[in-house]
Amino acid sequence: GENVEQHPSTLSVQEGDSAVIKCTYSDSASNYFPWYKQELGKRPQLIIDIRSNVGEKKDQRIAVTLNKTAKHFSLHITETQPEDSAVYFCAASRGAAGNKLTFGGGTRVLVKP
Amino acid sequence: GAVVSQHPSWVICKSGTSVKIECRSLDFQATTMFWYRQFPKQSLMLMATSNEGSKATYEQGVEKDKFLINHASLTLSTLTVTSAHPEDSSFYICSARRDGGNTEAFFGQGTRLTVV
Repeated sequence: GENVEQHPSTLSVQEGDSAVIKCTYSDSASNYFPWYKQELGKRPQLIIDIRSNVGEKKDQRIAVTLNKTAKHFSLHITETQPEDSAVYFCAASRGAAGNKLTFGGGTRVLVKP
Repeated sequence: GAVVSQHPSWVICKSGTSVKIECRSLDFQATTMFWYRQFPKQSLMLMATSNEGSKATYEQGVEKDKFLINHASLTLSTLTVTSAHPEDSSFYICSARRDGGNTEAFFGQGTRLTVV
């Protein structure tokens, strides 16, 4: 089955700096890669996703890149703000809605004002 | 976006009793729903895949007789933790993806289970 590794497990950045989180996956058939933000005690919220037919996607301060050959994808947050502090999870899945998401271990991001 | 509602948000039960958690997709149909468990400061670990009208598929190491799943309609799946023990205390979250394609997974708000 799919295995998703996520690094780093914790990340502390100064407000205004960039944060980068990296994930690798094992199943070459995976073609959907979402990123979730989870605040303490809350449900995960999708912040951005990418499908395997594109290499990069951007939404304001958030971008995701995908390298299918190397089977890794990354989340980039620019101009970080204190409200970006949370736990971020990457995930991977095959295409159909009935297919499960496999999550990485999570990255606890702390943005220091 | 689509809404997945989970109930209850939290529950405290005595050891040995059973607890039922409901997961509903409010504005879309979901033939498949997923149940995750999350321990403090850990990732979401898939417990089982719930399939409407058929048996659930359990991940390795998850006891199907202890975690009963029923997916009776296209909008409702239930997880029953039977004979709960303190080690079952955790955050249980369901999710669903809209039928018909490569789509976002929507999560319920989670259920904090405490077994005393």
